[in-house]
Amino acid sequence: GDSVTQMEGPVTLSEEAFLTINCTYTATGYPSLFWYVQYPGEGLQLLLKATKADDKGSNKGFEATYRKETTSFHLEKGSVQVSDSAVYFCALSRNNAGNMLTFGGGTRLMVKP
Amino acid sequence: NAGVTQTPKFRILKIGQSMTLQCTQDMNHNYMYWYRQDPGMGLKLIYYSVGAGITDKGEVPNGYNVSRSTTEDFPLRLELAAPSQTSVYFCASSYSGLAGTGELFFGEGSRLTVL
Repeated sequence: GDSVTQMEGPVTLSEEAFLTINCTYTATGYPSLFWYVQYPGEGLQLLLKATKADDKGSNKGFEATYRKETTSFHLEKGSVQVSDSAVYFCALSRNNAGNMLTFGGGTRLMVKP
Repeated sequence: NAGVTQTPKFRILKIGQSMTLQCTQDMNHNYMYWYRQDPGMGLKLIYYSVGAGITDKGEVPNGYNVSRSTTEDFPLRLELAAPSQTSVYFCASSYSGLAGTGELFFGEGSRLTVL
């Protein structure tokens, strides 16, 4: 079946450091890929997405590129802020009618001033 | 501006007790979902519904039941609580027009402990 694997956290960085959170997936066909973010005390919210190979999703300074050859969708940000501290989830969808997602385990990011 | 609302946020149950996690959304979404998240694990789909009166099993449905009598509400019932059901539960909704886009709207989660 489908699966998503992402690096375990926590990831601790200083403000303005470069961020990479690795995500790889296993799926048949051509899934869509997503990053969701959960800020403390809140529900998950969609951060960015890519629907086909070589697409780049971007939002709030975060980027991720859909790499079919390596089955990866790594999340990057050039300069993190304290306000980026959150849990980040990588997910995939088979583009099914029910809009269901398969999630990775989540990676906690802590940014120190 | 409520979105998806889950109650309760925290609950401790004894083994064998029953309870219902409530979920309501005010966005007129026809798709609704229940996920559970265990420490270090991804969210796993328990049940989902594509409209009022229609429910279906997800990846981990055993020990749970759902109903969908209205568009707004999608309660999750635990009949005989077991320690394996200790988890954080997330309710989510989506609009059918977003089918295939992966854009779900989540509640804040309900942390359940079974002792």
